[in-house]
Amino acid sequence: AQSVTQLDSQVPVFEEAPVELRCNYSSSVSVYLFWYVQYPNQGLQLLLKYLSGSTLVKGINGFEAEFNKSQTSFHLRKPSVHISDTAEYFCAVIPNGAGSYQLTFGKGTKLSVIP
Amino acid sequence: NAGVTQTPKFQVLKTGQSMTLQCAQDMNHEYMSWYRQDPGMGLRLIHYSVGAGITDQGEVPNGYNVSRSTTEDFPLRLLSAAPSQTSVYFCASSYSNWGKGTEAFFGQGTRLTVV
Repeated sequence: AQSVTQLDSQVPVFEEAPVELRCNYSSSVSVYLFWYVQYPNQGLQLLLKYLSGSTLVKGINGFEAEFNKSQTSFHLRKPSVHISDTAEYFCAVIPNGAGSYQLTFGKGTKLSVIP
Repeated sequence: NAGVTQTPKFQVLKTGQSMTLQCAQDMNHEYMSWYRQDPGMGLRLIHYSVGAGITDQGEVPNGYNVSRSTTEDFPLRLLSAAPSQTSVYFCASSYSNWGKGTEAFFGQGTRLTVV
């Protein structure tokens, strides 16, 4: 089984400051990793994903994440946040392979950008 | 394209009532799923389908039924609503299963309150 731990439930940050949202996972098999964003009263939208290759993954809206296999982490970063980045962010994992159907989500991190 | 459409957006039920949450997608996706989102719990998989006529249980299936008679539709039925089913429900679809790293597309959610 897989598990995902998002280390911070809430992260307040001032506008134009950098931010890092932390995600650690546990799995006995190789996994794919995802970050999703949920804006208020909306569904989830894919920010970025790591499947293989370069451990630094770039996504939409200036976000990037780094996969660290030895530390089983997949932290999300943005060098300068905007008010519009205020949202809840979810880290998710799934075992790679054709028979994998359950995406396991973390509990979410609420990012609040302060003007 | 409309993407993934969920109806209704809001619903209040009395304990013991039944209802169906509708989900439709127009992207010809084979894989569809239902998640519930509860505060501090992230998203948990209720049921999923890998194609018309094929469904299976996820992490929290009790109290819910699904069927998949067409590729486009994947309704979720609450047989006898309970206050514990108060939640936000999300339908998601993807071209193939997420174990291949495919992006999931989410609906806007149905906010259900059981009193």
